[in-house]
Amino acid sequence: EAAVTQSPRNKVAVTGGKVTLSCNQTNNHNNMYWYRQDTGHGLRLIHYSYGAGSTEKGDIPDGYKASRPSQENFSLILELATPSQTSVYFCASGDGGFYAEQFFGPGTRLTVL
Amino acid sequence: GDSVTQTEGQVALSEEDFLTIHCNYSASGYPALFWYVQYPGEGPQFLFRASRDKEKGSSRGFEATYDKGTTSFHLRKASVQESDSAVYYCALGHDTNAYKVIFGKGTHLHVLP
Repeated sequence: EAAVTQSPRNKVAVTGGKVTLSCNQTNNHNNMYWYRQDTGHGLRLIHYSYGAGSTEKGDIPDGYKASRPSQENFSLILELATPSQTSVYFCASGDGGFYAEQFFGPGTRLTVL
Repeated sequence: GDSVTQTEGQVALSEEDFLTIHCNYSASGYPALFWYVQYPGEGPQFLFRASRDKEKGSSRGFEATYDKGTTSFHLRKASVQESDSAVYYCALGHDTNAYKVIFGKGTHLHVLP
């Protein structure tokens, strides 16, 4: 069974609307991450968490919030979605510090019209 | 800050060709270096890592050697197959921030039958 799952897999939103992307992991990892993937930019870190109740800003946090209510769940929230946030979003989990591999979910394709 | 630079854009090869994707890094000390692979429609998945000078990482016929002198971790495969068509990411983890991994922009490999 997939250890990192994301929902929804596809989402169309309107400009100014609120969007919540959800991620669940069964790896029991402390660390979780949200990335966006865009052509020419690769994977860029939006927010991360090192445990339940914690969220930290990554490299491109503007316009995004994150929530980590439990070890298993990590959400990415777009309070006021904009077309520039159209992208593919990946959640990942990992453990063991800078040496550790990350396990990615299948991604969510978000289109903001 | 720490950074990773890899072969940009797309690489097109024929089956049984030799593959090299260049990866150079900028960081102090001995960061951990990774290669990830992303197949169409999926999230990235860990290929292998190395963390010491001259250490070789390998998996699925791919290999790379950590070279501190040239700050490189080039991905190589002796004979590519059509099934190797994917996006390859070089990445870096550093003990200055145990929770973050910095990804390169990705290299899209097309292998023609």
